[in-house]
Amino acid sequence: AQTVTQSQPEMSVQEAETVTLSCTYDTSENNYYLFWYKQPPSRQMILVIRQEAYKQQNATENRFSVNFQKAAKSFSLKISDSQLGDTAMYFCAFISNSGYALNFGKGTSLLVTP
Amino acid sequence: GAGVSQSPSNKVTEKGKDVELRCDPISGHTALYWYRQSLGQGLEFLIYFQGNSAPDKSGLPSDRFSAERTGGSVSTLTIQRTQQEDSAVYLCASSPRSGTFDTQYFGPGTRLTVL
Repeated sequence: AQTVTQSQPEMSVQEAETVTLSCTYDTSENNYYLFWYKQPPSRQMILVIRQEAYKQQNATENRFSVNFQKAAKSFSLKISDSQLGDTAMYFCAFISNSGYALNFGKGTSLLVTP
Repeated sequence: GAGVSQSPSNKVTEKGKDVELRCDPISGHTALYWYRQSLGQGLEFLIYFQGNSAPDKSGLPSDRFSAERTGGSVSTLTIQRTQQEDSAVYLCASSPRSGTFDTQYFGPGTRLTVL
């Protein structure tokens, strides 16, 4: 079974600063995808970024980037120039080559303060 | 284009009643998923539909839960004889095809409260 662990239940960052959210996972699979989803108070889960395990290059989407360490099974999300609209729950998720259901971590609640 | 839609947005029901939750996937998406988000359990997979194939119901927590997908599009999740532990947000997602690595696009969810 695959497990996803987010060790930071809550985090806070000031506007314009940089914050890193941690995620580790456990799997015996070699080919898989990792995702970060954002869930604001509206409840809508929004894809932030995704990473293919076979790609060594870290994915980047505007202010969002990941640090993917395959050997360490670590997948952290860095948010640069934090904005008030980044306030949300952030979920790390894993999907393997042998399945189709996303395995989610428990989430990190991020608060961006003025 | 239009995203995944779900209705109702909120549902309050009494213990023992049946409820139906609806999901309209993104047009053209053949794969549809239901997840449950609760405080104690986080996000759990419930059921998966792909085209006209038999659904994967392995995540359904009990036989009180069932789901169908008509015409390969709209899906309904039914919970019979609701219990208080069924209170949660029920999220629906769709993806373009059956490929494992397709991004799943989520709807806004239905918040179910069982009194």
